[in-house]
Amino acid sequence: DAKTTQPPSMDCAEGRAANLPCNHSTISGNEYVYWYRQIHSQGPQYIIHGLKNNETNEMASLIITEDRKSSTLILPHATLRDTAVYYCIVRVIGNQGGKLIFGQGTELSVKP
Amino acid sequence: DAGITQSPRYKITETGRQVTLMCHQTWSHSYMFWYRQDLGHGLRLIYYSAAADITDKGEVPDGYVVSRSKTENFPLTLESATRSQTSVYFCASSESGGGPRAYGYTFGSGTRLTVV
Repeated sequence: DAKTTQPPSMDCAEGRAANLPCNHSTISGNEYVYWYRQIHSQGPQYIIHGLKNNETNEMASLIITEDRKSSTLILPHATLRDTAVYYCIVRVIGNQGGKLIFGQGTELSVKP
Repeated sequence: DAGITQSPRYKITETGRQVTLMCHQTWSHSYMFWYRQDLGHGLRLIYYSAAADITDKGEVPDGYVVSRSKTENFPLTLESATRSQTSVYFCASSESGGGPRAYGYTFGSGTRLTVV
């Protein structure tokens, strides 16, 4: 599975958009980009995933560059409850790709 | 209640003892996973299972044993606990291994294990 690179930490003001970048320059054609977050002491929570098109759900938006070498997770109106570690993961699709391998993630602090 | 549950939530054991952490899911998800989380290492995959009676090693399997006789249960056993196995253990399940319909894993609340 391709590796990802994320900044170790970021700050965001409450109510503003939080844009979390992820680099996955070695991603291959059969790998999806997944985002999870982990709020202190809890199990990780699925946020969103995508292949090559931009995706949006009730939690966030995912922007994937045309060459698929990087992506950005956008939390449109960050709240204090969005303070968490955010993980960007690339994952092979198909039954052989069941594993999620986590990196170090980005620790997002949303400040009042 | 529907969901994925881990037990116990907290466990203290002595070095050399056998410990089993339980994981139970009610969705009939085919895939189940065990991760451990330590400061400075993030989440690391220990073992996973694609279906009942099918298991495979992850990144850090040494010192652990798993079994999956029923789809809904995936216990993790530390055969002879060591201090280095002090960690928070998370179980997860997924409907399938991959593909666009596999929206993701659902994680349990974790078991905090201390080996003294």
